[in-house]
Amino acid sequence: DTQMTQSPSTLSASVGDRVTITCRASQSISNYLAWYQQKPGKAPKLLIYKASTLESGVPSRFSGSGSGTEFTLTISSLQPDDFATYYCQQYNNYLTFGGGTKVEIK
Amino acid sequence: EVQLVESGGGLVQPGGSLRLSCAASGFTFSDHYMGWVRQAPGRGLEWVGRTRNKANSYTTEYAASVKARFTVSRDDSKNSLYLQMNSLKTEDTAVYYCTRGSGSLNSWGQGTLVTVSS
Repeated sequence: DTQMTQSPSTLSASVGDRVTITCRASQSISNYLAWYQQKPGKAPKLLIYKASTLESGVPSRFSGSGSGTEFTLTISSLQPDDFATYYCQQYNNYLTFGGGTKVEIK
Repeated sequence: EVQLVESGGGLVQPGGSLRLSCAASGFTFSDHYMGWVRQAPGRGLEWVGRTRNKANSYTTEYAASVKARFTVSRDDSKNSLYLQMNSLKTEDTAVYYCTRGSGSLNSWGQGTLVTVSS
């Protein structure tokens, strides 16, 4: 099984900050990685797939990079609507989610 | 507009069974892989299982934690997805989401809560 490890688990930031979340795979997953945003009581929303492709309608301040085992999600300038929990997910071998990163207000 | 609407959640005793349904609309259901993801209270996301589309022989795959207890099925004539859950354990308590996608999951339902408790 491919394990996904996200860091940090919690991140405190202010509006306008540049934020980076890391996701590591236990084995190479090529670029078969997605990122999701989830707000309390709501279903997750797809932000990025294939490691760096922005889903339609997602603001361009979100970007993804990486391949193999190391991936990052970057929010270039944090907005009030971005305070949420973010998950990575690999789909190279079945599907596995990372443990999540909660982005909270500093 | 893509819509996925789950139903069938509720309270069930350990060892019991429950069947969840997901009604899909707004897209050609038969073309897509469909599946289930769950989230225990206050916890992260866990993939449960999926069914491929007709072109891929409707084959199914499951997470190790539910294999042999849960069954994913679909009825393309009704645009519906199902999750039959048997031998339920307290650790199966979660919100269950219906999802669309073969890798990345681009559509999710609102979720249905399953509580396994005596």
